[in-house]
Amino acid sequence: DSGVTQTPKHLITATGQRVTLRCSPRSGDLSVYWYQQSLDQGLQFLIQYYNGEERAKGNILERFSAQQFPDLHSELNLSSLELGDSALYFCASSVGGWTNEKLFFGSGTQLSVL
Amino acid sequence: GENVEQHPSTLSVQEGDSAVIKCTYSDSASNYFPWYKQELGKRPQLIIDIRSNVGEKKDQRIAVTLNKTAKHFSLHITETQPEDSAVYFCAASKTQFYFGTGTSLTVIP
Repeated sequence: DSGVTQTPKHLITATGQRVTLRCSPRSGDLSVYWYQQSLDQGLQFLIQYYNGEERAKGNILERFSAQQFPDLHSELNLSSLELGDSALYFCASSVGGWTNEKLFFGSGTQLSVL
Repeated sequence: GENVEQHPSTLSVQEGDSAVIKCTYSDSASNYFPWYKQELGKRPQLIIDIRSNVGEKKDQRIAVTLNKTAKHFSLHITETQPEDSAVYFCAASKTQFYFGTGTSLTVIP
């Protein structure tokens, strides 16, 4: 167990809908990262938050947004969902948000858009 | 930005043999190189990492080597076992983590 908690584990929804994925980082970690992993694909970086502030942005669509709350948990909001958004979404956390630190992944949320 | 290439995409070895996975990166400023193992349907798990001031690091049957001049790093698994079967991802980081596309390793009993 990495100590990073993601909920829900599975999510099935329809095109056009909006969903929220939740992540709680390891105790003491200030930084949260979101990644998307499509079938047979690598890990695509979406966005990073550090201590409540956005630190880095990757290939995140405008339909997607995220935030990190004062208690350091983070939520990834996906709206106007399309079939192509079906993927495994991972959250990861690190201590200080510097990219030479160990990154620990949660178990992921499997999103299926029908 | 950084570009990380990983080879091979699939690798099959006999149990007990060694496996080598190679990655190249483009940004000479990258300074941290972790390797992750992902079993089917599970989360990526950090198995070993190396920083740019070190050329080699070992942890039991796993080793990583880094050649900064050539900008490549490799994962070596010796005495492979069936439980080593998984997808392995390399990454290079400076301001962000850039992941390779993964290597699916199958260890044949």
